[in-house]
Amino acid sequence: QVQLQESGPGLVKPSETLSLTCTVSGGSISSYYWSWIRQPPGKGLEWIGYIYYSGSTNYNPSLKSRVTISVDTSKNQFSLKLSSVTAADTAVYYCATPTRWGQGTLVTVSS
Amino acid sequence: QLVLTQSPSASASLGASVKLTCTLSSGHSSYAIAWHQQQPEKGPRYLMKLNSDGSHSKGDGIPDRFSGSSSGAERYLTISSLQSEDEADYYCQTWGTGIHVFGTGTKVTVL
Repeated sequence: QVQLQESGPGLVKPSETLSLTCTVSGGSISSYYWSWIRQPPGKGLEWIGYIYYSGSTNYNPSLKSRVTISVDTSKNQFSLKLSSVTAADTAVYYCATPTRWGQGTLVTVSS
Repeated sequence: QLVLTQSPSASASLGASVKLTCTLSSGHSSYAIAWHQQQPEKGPRYLMKLNSDGSHSKGDGIPDRFSGSSSGAERYLTISSLQSEDEADYYCQTWGTGIHVFGTGTKVTVL
């Protein structure tokens, strides 16, 4: 079964770039599409975007100007970059396939 | 605009059934959705994909007491024989051309 694990800094300063990586195990990244989703504390789920193994992407229009998702098929990983972060970007960030979620990682934006 | 509407809360007694509703916005009544469960302090778990004709495909290990059905623009999740571990937030999700959308979630309380 495919498993996903997020990794990256838990604390990011305002105006800097948030960077996270999702490592896929138990299956090949050369299938499905691969998503990033976030959840601010006490709030609901927000789709950030997804990438196909081919590299084609789609992003949430509300975040599009700040988001980049990339894939490294040689490492079975895909990554998220979110630029110019503010406190409003504080959230648990999840990577996911259509049917499976990672455990999530909390990213706090604070100086 | 693709929008999913969910009631904020639902409750039922232990051993009873509860039926949750997810309503697709006008013009999107043929869309499939997915249901996800999020237990307290945990990440989401995929429950099922639910098509407009009511057919559904459940995730690995999802008990038979979780079932889905459809009517027009409404998508339902029925949980039978409610157990204490079913107390959770339930989110619906749908997808269009290059975009994914989550509902605001329904909090289920087991009385």
